[in-house]
Amino acid sequence: ETGVTQTPRHLVMGMTNKKSLKCEQHLGHNAMYWYKQSAKKPLELMFVYNFKEQTENNSVPSRFSPECPNSSHLFLHLHTLQPEDSALYLCASSQGSRLAGKPYEQYFGPGTRLTVT
Amino acid sequence: KQEVTQIPAALSVPEGKNLVLNCSFTDSAIYNLQWFRQDPGKGLTSLLLIQSSQREQTSGRLNASLDKSSGRSTLYIAASQPGVSATYLCAAGNSGGSNYKLTFGKGTLLTVNP
Repeated sequence: ETGVTQTPRHLVMGMTNKKSLKCEQHLGHNAMYWYKQSAKKPLELMFVYNFKEQTENNSVPSRFSPECPNSSHLFLHLHTLQPEDSALYLCASSQGSRLAGKPYEQYFGPGTRLTVT
Repeated sequence: KQEVTQIPAALSVPEGKNLVLNCSFTDSAIYNLQWFRQDPGKGLTSLLLIQSSQREQTSGRLNASLDKSSGRSTLYIAASQPGVSATYLCAAGNSGGSNYKLTFGKGTLLTVNP
């Protein structure tokens, strides 16, 4: 166990559905990340949050909406997705400090396998 | 823009063999470099992190080296066993202002045959 949990582990949704992915870290970290892993492509960074503030949006379509209510929790709200959005969505955290500019080792959760039908 | 390449994409070796996985990156101004292991359908497990000021890091049977000037890192696995079969991912960490970002390669799928 890495100290980062994700729920659900598997999700099947239709293109008109609205669902949310949840990530929680128990490591006392200040930075949290969403990544997308599609078949035969490198992991793609989607969003970065530092101290609950979004500091990176890697040109992600608006049908993906992140939320970070506190440093321990991160959500990814999904609506009107497309079949090509089917992928493994991974959450990570690190002890990155925005003010000190000292990034640290990233710890990943087990991922949510999303299938859009 | 940082790009990370891993060669080979797949590798099949007999048990007990020492092996080397290669990683190259285009932007040498990295903050650190991280090697991960990923089992099928699972998340990533961090294996080693090398700071930009370091040349290598060791953990058990794993040794990772870093040559910033040439944009290369290698992961050395000694006396491989079937349990190390997995996908190995290399990621270059760059720090731009307040942001820290990891750029991943596509990985090397390693199969160790008993």
